[in-house]
Amino acid sequence: AQTVTQSQPEMSVQEAETVTLSCTYDTSENNYYLFWYKQPPSRQMILVIRQEAYKQQNATENRFSVNFQKAAKSFSLKISDSQLGDTAMYFCAFISLIQGAQKLVFGQGTRLTINP
Amino acid sequence: KAGVTQTPRYLIKTRGQQVTLSCSPISGHRSVSWYQQTPGQGLQFLFEYFSETQRNKGNFPGRFSGRQFSNSRSEMNVSTLELGDSALYLCASSLGQASNQPQHFGDGTRLSIL
Repeated sequence: AQTVTQSQPEMSVQEAETVTLSCTYDTSENNYYLFWYKQPPSRQMILVIRQEAYKQQNATENRFSVNFQKAAKSFSLKISDSQLGDTAMYFCAFISLIQGAQKLVFGQGTRLTINP
Repeated sequence: KAGVTQTPRYLIKTRGQQVTLSCSPISGHRSVSWYQQTPGQGLQFLFEYFSETQRNKGNFPGRFSGRQFSNSRSEMNVSTLELGDSALYLCASSLGQASNQPQHFGDGTRLSIL
């Protein structure tokens, strides 16, 4: 069974700083996808970024980038030039590429606060 | 394009009752997944429906069930409610043909059991 671990329950940084959220996972599969989702107080889960396991190049989306280390099973999220609107719970998630599998396995989340 | 719509937004029930939650996916999406979110257990997968068939199932008791209609709308039912069923129930939809297609979430239904 796959597991996802986020070791930082809470983090807090000043606006405009760079912050890195950690995530490790465990799987015996070779092909899978990893995601970072953001859940602001409004409750809706929003996809921030995704990474295909077979791609060595790290994914980037504007101020968001990942550091994907497949051998170490590590998938950290870096937020550059943090903004007040980045305040939210951040969840790391794994999904298998076994045909038809639509089950996301989530970590426990990191509560990120951006201070003015 | 409208997003995933979940109704109701809030629900209060008492122990022993049953409840039905509704989820309307994004137009064209055929897969609907349900997740339970609690402070203690985090986000846990309940089940997934694709083309009116349950395709994946998590480790929840049989009191939790669901179905999907021909228009891809899905309902989740919980019978004989227990205090521990208090949670935010999230629904997500995707095109569904492959696991790499992103899941888009609704705002959730907050269920409180008294």
